[in-house]
Parts: sequence; structure tokens; C-alpha cells
Amino acid sequence: EAGVAQSPRYKIIEKRQSVAFWCNPISGHATLYWYQQILGQGPKLLIQFQNNGVVDDSQLPKDRFSAERLKGVDSTLKIQPAKLEDSAVYLCASSFWGRDTQYFGPGTRLTVL
Amino acid sequence: DAKTTQPTSMDCAEGRAANLPCNHSTISGNEYVYWYRQIHSQGPQYIIHGLKNNETNEMASLIITEDRKSSTLILPHATLRDTAVYYCIVWSADGLTFGKGTHLIIQP
Repeated sequence: EAGVAQSPRYKIIEKRQSVAFWCNPISGHATLYWYQQILGQGPKLLIQFQNNGVVDDSQLPKDRFSAERLKGVDSTLKIQPAKLEDSAVYLCASSFWGRDTQYFGPGTRLTVL
Repeated sequence: DAKTTQPTSMDCAEGRAANLPCNHSTISGNEYVYWYRQIHSQGPQYIIHGLKNNETNEMASLIITEDRKSSTLILPHATLRDTAVYYCIVWSADGLTFGKGTHLIIQP
């Protein structure tokens, strides 16, 4: 069974530029999560989708971050404009349904210069 | 979700059992105990979870005390590849709340 796929694996941008990350969850998983992991800390939830609807985006900085999951499968997370403090690993996870075990992708490491 | 307390770091000799403790004294009746680990530069990897009973799978065993206020993750025969940060998480729904975890270092 294929795991959660993410791309790109690494991205370097300058501050005030825009960036987008892509996630393809495990086939059949209805719930998708985006986490942000700053160096030395545990992952922090940014947003949770159930199919193509948002369940929780309370910790998403909505002035610069946006996410969508239009067809209930793949998802994209965008940052516009990026700040230095957005340098982190962005992790995508999926689960079969809301309270099931979450499985994580390899993450995208973002460096903002 | 309830908070957890874990030691910052632990050492274990290769081939020995690694026992990682976790305190979760404010856990609620419907909250599960989940364990993940994160090897350097990789995404978190699911290990095991439990509600009340002890659990075992091909990776590890999870021992939960009768009052559910603490648990222990056991890696029966640790190898160098088990060096990682181990997260104990108490979870009922929605996103996982990660703490700082335990950095387990397996010594050759």
C-alpha cells in the first residue's frame, strides 16, 4: 500500500515570495491534515479536512496561509507571502476517518531566506 | 486533549529492551494513548496505540497502568535504527498534539 506522498521535498525561497506544497493521501483516506514542524519542536496542526470540507483551521495563519482539497483527495497548502519564521517542515497526514490512526508523509522542508 | 510528560532523553544499549515512560494523569475515559516516532529528517511514524488494555504489535508493546495515568512503550530488542524522537500522545479526535518527546539514543 502506497503511503502519503508529498512534493517537493525541499524548497528554498526568499521572504515575500509565494510557495505551494502538494499532498496525496493514502488511497481511500477521507481525512487529511497539514502540520508545521519548526526545528526542535513537535509538529503543530495547521488544518484538518474531512473529504473536501474543513473541520479545523483554528491554528492556520489565514492572512498568509491557505489550503484546499477540492475533490476530496489531493490537497495543496500555500503561503503568500512567506516570512522568515515560516521556515519549517510541512507535514501531511491522512487517516481513513476522523478518529482513525494518522499516517504521515515525508514532509517538505521550507527554507525562507 | 490531555497533556503528557516524557523524559527529554534516554540511552539504551543495542540488543536490550528500551522502556520509554509517559505520564498522562489527566487522561479522559475516551482518550487513546498513541505512540509515534520520528527518525531524523523523516515524517512521524506510527508505532502503536491503546485505550485500556496492553497492546503488542510487530514493532513494540504498550503497557498502560490500570488507572490509565501512565504508560510505557517497550522496544524489545533495540537496534541502532531505533534511534529517534518518540512521542507519546493522548488523543480523542481531530489533530494530534505533539509535545517535545523523548530522544532515544541506542548505543552500540
